[in-house]
Amino acid sequence: GENVEQHPSTLSVQEGDSAVIKCTYSDSASNYFPWYKQELGKRPQLIIDIRSNVGEKKDQRIAVTLNKTAKHFSLHITETQPEDSAVYFCAASSGGGADGLTFGKGTHLIIQP
Amino acid sequence: EPEVTQTPSHQVTQMGQEVILRCVPISNHLYFYWYRQILGQKVEFLVSFYNNEISEKSEIFDDQFSVERPDGSNFTLKIRSTKLEDSAMYFCASSKREWPAYSGANVLTFGAGSRLTVL
Repeated sequence: GENVEQHPSTLSVQEGDSAVIKCTYSDSASNYFPWYKQELGKRPQLIIDIRSNVGEKKDQRIAVTLNKTAKHFSLHITETQPEDSAVYFCAASSGGGADGLTFGKGTHLIIQP
Repeated sequence: EPEVTQTPSHQVTQMGQEVILRCVPISNHLYFYWYRQILGQKVEFLVSFYNNEISEKSEIFDDQFSVERPDGSNFTLKIRSTKLEDSAMYFCASSKREWPAYSGANVLTFGAGSRLTVL
């Protein structure tokens, strides 16, 4: 089955700086890669996703890049703000049938004022 | 915006007791899921459900677990005889899938979760 590795487990950045979270996956059949943000005690919320037919996608301060050859994808947050503090999970899915998402272990992002 | 709703928000039970967690997926969604998150850990896939049957299940989803869609709206997770290690937040999710299938997107919407505490 799919295995998703995520790094780092904790990331502390100064407000206004950029944050980068990296994930690798094992199943070459995976073709859908979402990122979820989870605030303490709340549900995971989709913030951005990318499909295998594109290499990069951007939505305001958030971007995701995908390298299918190397089987890794990354989340980039620019101009970080205090409200960006949360746990971020990457995930992968082959998108076939009713496949569930395989999640990484999460990155606790801390924005220092 | 449509939501996935879950009940109860928190349940405390004794070890060995049966527990049923309930979910109402988004009405036009076709695929339903249960995930588990032990405190401080990652979200783990349990099971997916489509067309009134299980499509995929993980190693965690053993014989103690079952799912059911008893009517047109509810989707339930039953744990037959709870163990201490079943204590976790259980998230229900649903998706409508995008077509054509090769587009590969499986956009899940999660419920707020049901926290299960087994004593």
